[in-house]
Amino acid sequence: GQQVMQIPQYQHVQEGEDFTTYCNSSTTLSNIQWYKQRPGGHPVFLIQLVKSGEVKKQKRLTFQFGEAKKNSSLHITATQTTDVGTYFCAGHSGNTPLVFGKGTRLSVIA
Amino acid sequence: DAGVTQSPTHLIKTRGQQVTLRCSPISGHKSVSWYQQVLGQGPQFIFQYYEKEERGRGNFPDRFSARQFPNYSSELNVNALLLGDSALYLCASSSGGNTDTQYFGPGTRLTVL
Repeated sequence: GQQVMQIPQYQHVQEGEDFTTYCNSSTTLSNIQWYKQRPGGHPVFLIQLVKSGEVKKQKRLTFQFGEAKKNSSLHITATQTTDVGTYFCAGHSGNTPLVFGKGTRLSVIA
Repeated sequence: DAGVTQSPTHLIKTRGQQVTLRCSPISGHKSVSWYQQVLGQGPQFIFQYYEKEERGRGNFPDRFSARQFPNYSSELNVNALLLGDSALYLCASSSGGNTDTQYFGPGTRLTVL
């Protein structure tokens, strides 16, 4: 079945440093979604990418969808303590249910 | 507008017992999905319901069942609980399309002793 893998599993950064998490799917995706889950919280939708090669920005966050629609990345510029949490990618392949990666846990040291 | 609500927030059960979790979607959303999130993992799809019909089922045993009511709220039932069923159970609502954004509720933390 479809698998979605994320690396790294953990990332510790100094406040102000950049952060990137990568997502790879075993199958071509119809779309990819990114969610953020704060410690003790629930996943909160960040963005959805649909087109091959698509790039979207939300303030300090930049999301990319690969040309082959099998990989994606999330880059945060100049991290802040409010960025702490686990970032999940999740994708649909055809009509399949949403499959989540295991997430990347980001810690930001002030 | 109120977001997705779930009840109860926490639950402690013993092995072999049965549990019912409840979810109310965002007003106007007709689809509800259930996910299981084990500590340190991403949410894993259990069920999706749309207009009271089961639209999808994940790789979970028959001990797991769900239903959706005419007001689009939903219940997840788990029978014969096992220790491994301990997890955060998340409900997500969407407007209906299979690839729609999922709006998650706060979850129900189930502990099986």
